[in-house]
Amino acid sequence: GEQVEQRPPHLSVREGDSAVITCTYTDPNSYYFFWYKQEPGASLQLLMKVFSSTEINEGQGFTVLLNKKDKRLSLNLTAAHPGDSAAYFCAVSFINYGNEKITFGAGTKLTIKP
Amino acid sequence: DPKIIQKPKYLVAVTGSEKILICEQYLGHNAMYWYRQSAKKPLEFMFSYSYQKLMDNQTASSRFQPQSSKKNHLDLQITALKPDDSATYFCASSQENAEQFFGPGTRLTVL
Repeated sequence: GEQVEQRPPHLSVREGDSAVITCTYTDPNSYYFFWYKQEPGASLQLLMKVFSSTEINEGQGFTVLLNKKDKRLSLNLTAAHPGDSAAYFCAVSFINYGNEKITFGAGTKLTIKP
Repeated sequence: DPKIIQKPKYLVAVTGSEKILICEQYLGHNAMYWYRQSAKKPLEFMFSYSYQKLMDNQTASSRFQPQSSKKNHLDLQITALKPDDSATYFCASSQENAEQFFGPGTRLTVL
């Protein structure tokens, strides 16, 4: 089955710096990719969904890069601010025996230091 | 208005007891899921249902039984509770080939 590896498990950066979280996956037939944010004590909130072969998507204060050739998905937070402190999870969608499945990465706990 | 409702928000149970976690979604989705999150495992997939049918079960223990009485309901019955079952349980839903939306969670503590 699909294996999703997310790195790093913990990340601490100073306010204003950038932070990069990366996920690699194994199934070349994976077709939808997601990033979720979970603030302390809260539920998971969808940040972005991507699906093209190689794509850069920009959101509010972050960039998502998908490289299907390398089977790599990354989330780059630019100019991090305290509100970015949270756990981030990548997720990869694929077909398993005719059924759609989603596998989540193990998460990255991001801390923004003042 | 919340689109995915989970009840209760907090739940304290004694070892050996049985509890039911409630999940209702009002997004019109066909698929529903249960996840568990604890200090030991950041996000652990448990079950998925599509059109009220079990699609995937990654929970080893039969003490965990999902129950779908309606298309937009997926409750989770847990029997013979153990302290290790203490976790936050998230319900999620999705439309086919689409992202999952998560409920607010039920935080279960087993004493």
